[in-house]
Amino acid sequence: EADIYQTPRYLVIGTGKKITLECSQTMGHDKMYWYQQDPGMELHLIHYSYGVNSTEKGDLSSESTVSRIRTEHFPLTLESARPSHTSQYLCASSGRLAYEQFFGPGTRLTVL
Amino acid sequence: RKEVEQDPGPFNVPEGATVAFNCTYSNSASQSFFWYRQDCRKEPKLLMSVYSSGNEDGRFTAQLNRASQYISLLIRDSKLSDSATYLCVVNMPTSGSARQLTFGSGTQLTVLP
Repeated sequence: EADIYQTPRYLVIGTGKKITLECSQTMGHDKMYWYQQDPGMELHLIHYSYGVNSTEKGDLSSESTVSRIRTEHFPLTLESARPSHTSQYLCASSGRLAYEQFFGPGTRLTVL
Repeated sequence: RKEVEQDPGPFNVPEGATVAFNCTYSNSASQSFFWYRQDCRKEPKLLMSVYSSGNEDGRFTAQLNRASQYISLLIRDSKLSDSATYLCVVNMPTSGSARQLTFGSGTQLTVLP
């Protein structure tokens, strides 16, 4: 089992609220990723990081931001949540020598 | 054209059947290939890597054809527990992002009793 954790698992929140989705891994992986996935649809990469203080935007434009102050922690923040942000957010990590990515259980976000 | 394309599905097969999934990728410089499995409302999990010479893991066989940029997954003697969405995953080397993976949209498999 991969040691990558996401909290909260489910979040229902009102429009305009600021939210932070947490992601932590204990595998010492230098690379971390955030994906967005709507039900029955494909994964879209929205952010990635190759190490501390390194963050890049992914293929899908997102209003969210990320930070990487510690190797094990890669939080995603939405300053003002909107209904269009309703989706599942999946965090993943990979090691220095491998392409394989390990996924966290995801956060299912609903913005009312 | 999508960078990774898969059979549209869904595939509904009886228990014990053999089922094959196909996938094509657009970037000839891709070096690593995987099949992931995603259960309904769960995270993707690695099923198997795909090696140039083809590889087998129990009832699962993966093959790679670099010339045709084609990957396949064969499931023999399918079980009810094989019901899931199968994602074809390829690394797409681009400048400064050599370790990004591109996920196909997935093929849904339902194994029927």
